[in-house]
Amino acid sequence: GEDVEQSLFLSVREGDSSVINCTYTDSSSTYLYWYKQEPGAGLQLLTYIFSNMDMKQDQRLTVLLNKKDKHLSLRIADTQTGDSAIYFCAESISTSGTYKYIFGTGTRLKVLA
Amino acid sequence: NAGVTQTPKFRILKIGQSMTLQCAQDMNHNYMYWYRQDPGMGLKLIYYSVGAGITDKGEVPNGYNVSRSTTEDFPLRLELAAPSQTSVYFCASRKGLAGGGVLTQYFGPGTRLTVL
Repeated sequence: GEDVEQSLFLSVREGDSSVINCTYTDSSSTYLYWYKQEPGAGLQLLTYIFSNMDMKQDQRLTVLLNKKDKHLSLRIADTQTGDSAIYFCAESISTSGTYKYIFGTGTRLKVLA
Repeated sequence: NAGVTQTPKFRILKIGQSMTLQCAQDMNHNYMYWYRQDPGMGLKLIYYSVGAGITDKGEVPNGYNVSRSTTEDFPLRLELAAPSQTSVYFCASRKGLAGGGVLTQYFGPGTRLTVL
């Protein structure tokens, strides 16, 4: 079945780069997404990448997609304490005339001052 | 736009009680979703709707019901609350591809439900 996996925790120092990784099993994904969840809040879309792209850059965020290995990563440059949150990887998959979304378990990023 | 709103933010229920979690969106999105988020887990889909009057089951529908009488509202009903339904519930919506969307879901702030 479909599955999306992420490591549970990542700790980095302020100013360093953070790299959050995600692997998925279904190769028929249409889009892949990164969401950020701050304490007590809903999921906020950070960025997305179309499945036929390899890379997307958006200010401090760089998304890399390796379709062969089914691996997605999110790099945050110059990580700040405000980046501390849980980051979810997700994919949308076409099924039965609509789309369904598979979410990873989330990676808790802790930024140390 | 307020986006996706959910009420209440918190609720404690006794076993066997019932309640309705409210969700509304003002973006004229056709698609709406209910997820639950358990600690250390990803989001699991409970129910979804592709438009007013049309709903369908997700991965974990047992113990829940939904209705979609308008485009804006998508309430989730728990009839006989059980401890296993203790979770954080998120509502989400998106526009269709015909509207130029990239299938992005927009999430509400969540309802934290405890069943004792």
